[in-house]
Amino acid sequence: GIQVEQSPPDLILQEGANSTLRCNFSDSVNNLQWFHQNPWGQLINLFYIPSGTKQNGRLSATTVATERYSLLYISSSQTTDSGVYFCAVDRRASGTYKYIFGTGTRLKVLA
Amino acid sequence: DAGVTQSPTHLIKTRGQQVTLRCSPKSGHDTVSWYQQALGQGPQFIFQYYEEEERQRGNFPDRFSGHQFPNYSSELNVNALLLGDSALYLCASSLGYVWDTEAFFGQGTRLTVV
Repeated sequence: GIQVEQSPPDLILQEGANSTLRCNFSDSVNNLQWFHQNPWGQLINLFYIPSGTKQNGRLSATTVATERYSLLYISSSQTTDSGVYFCAVDRRASGTYKYIFGTGTRLKVLA
Repeated sequence: DAGVTQSPTHLIKTRGQQVTLRCSPKSGHDTVSWYQQALGQGPQFIFQYYEEEERQRGNFPDRFSGHQFPNYSSELNVNALLLGDSALYLCASSLGYVWDTEAFFGQGTRLTVV
């Protein structure tokens, strides 16, 4: 089945710094999402981005489907950005309806 | 517009007992998927319900079963609870009849088995 890898696994930043999180996937996908898991466990939708580039405030994401990777950019990080970031993909057109999650990037932003 | 809602938020059960978790999908969505997330891990797919039937199942034993109702809400049942079933259980809703669909997750049910 499809493999999803995220890097780096852990990241510590000073408030105000920028960062790039990467998600590599091993096959073509139909859907790709980035999530932020808050301390209470809820998965917050950041981007639905199977291809292309999107921006939302200090966050932006780019997926290059032909090269099978996606990037999440966080600019001017804040302590509230701390948490775990997951990338998830599926291949519905091939019968894989489930989301396969990457291993996550654990981000800690220091004041 | 109500998002995905799950109940209860927390639950403590004893080994061997049975538990039922509930999920109401986002308005307009017809598909519900269930995931188990152990501490420090990513969510693992349990199964997906579409048109009141189990469309796909992950690598979980038969002790895990589910149901989808005509209003698209869903239940996850776990029988003969083991200590290893302690986890955060997440429900996601999406559209079932298109390839391109964004999934939305509920706040989760934290199950502790003692």
